[in-house]
Amino acid sequence: AQSVAQPEDQVNVAEGNPLTVKCTYSVSGNPYLFWYVQYPNRGLQFLLKYITGDNLVKGSYGFEAEFNKSQTSFHLKKPSALVSDSALYFCAVRDPYNFNKFYFGSGTKLNVKP
Amino acid sequence: GAGVSQTPSNKVTEKGKYVELRCDPISGHTALYWYRQSLGQGPEFLIYFQGTGAADDSGLPNDRFFAVRPEGSVSTLKIQRTERGDSAVYLCASSGGGGDTQYFGPGTRLTVL
Repeated sequence: AQSVAQPEDQVNVAEGNPLTVKCTYSVSGNPYLFWYVQYPNRGLQFLLKYITGDNLVKGSYGFEAEFNKSQTSFHLKKPSALVSDSALYFCAVRDPYNFNKFYFGSGTKLNVKP
Repeated sequence: GAGVSQTPSNKVTEKGKYVELRCDPISGHTALYWYRQSLGQGPEFLIYFQGTGAADDSGLPNDRFFAVRPEGSVSTLKIQRTERGDSAVYLCASSGGGGDTQYFGPGTRLTVL
């Protein structure tokens, strides 16, 4: 079975500091990994994805994620957090044997304090 | 351009009633997904359409749940004999060819009393 885990329910960071939101995956086969952000009362918005190639993936709003095969991780990062980055972040993996199926983590609430 | 829209935004119903939730995908997107998001959880896959047909309905929890997409655009998720455990936010997403990047609607919050 394919799955992702987000070990932190909540991450607190001060504005201007770097942020990391953690995600680990369990996939049989090559992983296709995604990050989405969800603002209150809004749908999930795509941030970035890893399919193949460079381990460092750059996405929207200055976010990036690092794919680490040995640690089976795909942590989301940003060098300098903004208060407006405060939201719910979801990691997801696409089933490599059934491209129509995506498995989402339970989400991490990011709080950026001014 | 217009994104994915879902109606209603909120639906309150009583146990045992029938409900329909509607999704309007991005124009031209052939793939459409339904997810259920319970409180404190990530989206859980329900069903996937490619065009008009339900290509994968393995995520539907039981036969009370059914979804259609008769003309390959708008989709309706139908829930019969609703139960309190059906209370959740139901999300719809669409994608173009390739299907890896999904565009989500704002969801319908269903409350079953």
